[in-house]
Amino acid sequence: NAGVTQTPKFQVLKTGQSMTLQCAQDMNHNSMYWYRQDPGMGLRLIYYSASEGTTDKGEVPNGYNVSRLNKREFSLRLESAAPSQTSVYFCASSGGSPNSPLHFGNGTRLTVT
Amino acid sequence: GNSVTQMEGPVTLSEEAFLTINCTYTATGYPSLFWYVQYPGEGLQLLLKATKADDKGSNKGFEATYRKETTSFHLEKGSVQVSDSAVYFCALSDPPTSGGSYIPTFGRGTSLIVHP
Repeated sequence: NAGVTQTPKFQVLKTGQSMTLQCAQDMNHNSMYWYRQDPGMGLRLIYYSASEGTTDKGEVPNGYNVSRLNKREFSLRLESAAPSQTSVYFCASSGGSPNSPLHFGNGTRLTVT
Repeated sequence: GNSVTQMEGPVTLSEEAFLTINCTYTATGYPSLFWYVQYPGEGLQLLLKATKADDKGSNKGFEATYRKETTSFHLEKGSVQVSDSAVYFCALSDPPTSGGSYIPTFGRGTSLIVHP
C-alpha cells in the first residue's frame, strides 16, 4: 500500500530557481491538498483540488501554482523560489466527505538559499 | 469561520504518566473531529476520529470524546510510553456551505515529549 507518495524528499534551491513537487495517491480519492509546515505555524493550506479538473486557493497561495494532472496526481510548482518558501511541504488526499480523514505523504523538505 | 484551538506545548511527561491534550473548536455546523499524530520526519497520520456528539474515538490506548456542549475533543491516554513522543494535531471537518468545497481545519499542534 503506497498511499500518498511525494517526490523529492529533499531539495535545495537557489533564490529564483523553479521546481515542481510531485504527489500521487493510489486510493482513488477525489480531493487532494498541498500544505506547508513551518515551526510554530502549524499546517497552512496552499492549494487544494476538490475533484479532478478543479483547483482552488488556500490560505497561502502566493508564489505557487498547482496542476491536477489526473485523479491520482497533484503537483505544486514554485516558479521563482524565495527564502520565505523554505519549509516542509505535505501533500494529502481524502475521499472528499467530512467523515473522511486525510492521508498524508511523508513530505518534501525544501531549502531556498 | 471554523477554528481549532489546542493547548500549547511542549508537554513533557515521564513514562507511564497520564496524558491530556486539550482541544476546543468553533464550527458553523456539526463537524467530524479528528486527532492526527506526526512522528519525527514523517507526515501526519490519523490517530482517531469521532463523527457525532458523544462519540468516543479510540486507538492505541488513546481516547477522545466528542463533547458538543463544551465544543471540545480532548485527547487522553492513561499511561504514556517513550514511543508516544510526537506532535499531535486536532482537526475538524464541516460539511461545506452550498456550492463550497470541504476544507479541513487544523489546530497548530502540541508536541509531546515522554522521558524514560
